[in-house]
Amino acid sequence: KQEVTQIPAALSVPEGENLVLNCSFTDSAIYNLQWFRQDPGKGLTSLLLIQSSQREQTSGRLNASLDKSSGRSTLYIAASQPGDSATYLCANAGNNRKLIWGLGTSLAVNP
Amino acid sequence: DTEVTQTPKHLVMGMTNKKSLKCEQHMGHRAMYWYKQKAKKPPELMFVYSYEKLSINESVPSRFSPECPNSSLLNLHLHALQPEDSALYLCASSLQITSGGFETQYFGPGTRLLVL
Repeated sequence: KQEVTQIPAALSVPEGENLVLNCSFTDSAIYNLQWFRQDPGKGLTSLLLIQSSQREQTSGRLNASLDKSSGRSTLYIAASQPGDSATYLCANAGNNRKLIWGLGTSLAVNP
Repeated sequence: DTEVTQTPKHLVMGMTNKKSLKCEQHMGHRAMYWYKQKAKKPPELMFVYSYEKLSINESVPSRFSPECPNSSLLNLHLHALQPEDSALYLCASSLQITSGGFETQYFGPGTRLLVL
């Protein structure tokens, strides 16, 4: 059974810090890996999608990497801001045509 | 337009009521999804439509009935729900479903449902 694990479950940092969120998955046969952001009580915003043939994707202050051999993806957030406070979810699209989700990392960036 | 819209934003219903959730996108996407999300949990896939045909039903109880009238619209008809069905219901769409899996999914803001 495919599993996706996100570490840490919660993170609190002062504004301006660079931080790394981790996502590990048990099935190396992925097709793409997505990072999402969810604000409390809201829908999900797609941040980055990495195809299985890619190693990383960048959007603004966000950089996501993918290492299929180790079954890991990381989301790097540079110069964090209070507006980055949210839950970050990673999801692995495997060969069974479903997204397998992690439980998320709850991030608080303090002014 | 890169938006998925959902109505209503909030819904309170009794266990004997019939109601419908609506989802709309105008991005030309041909795959649409319904998810259920409980507090502090990731979304759970319920249904997937591909080219207006039901592609995946994740063994959802029949009190939830999806409908895809056209490529831009997705409905979820609700009847005789239970209190444990209270959750955030999310709609998503993607360009299509490739043989290798799903493409980027764009989510709506969700409908928060409370069943009394």
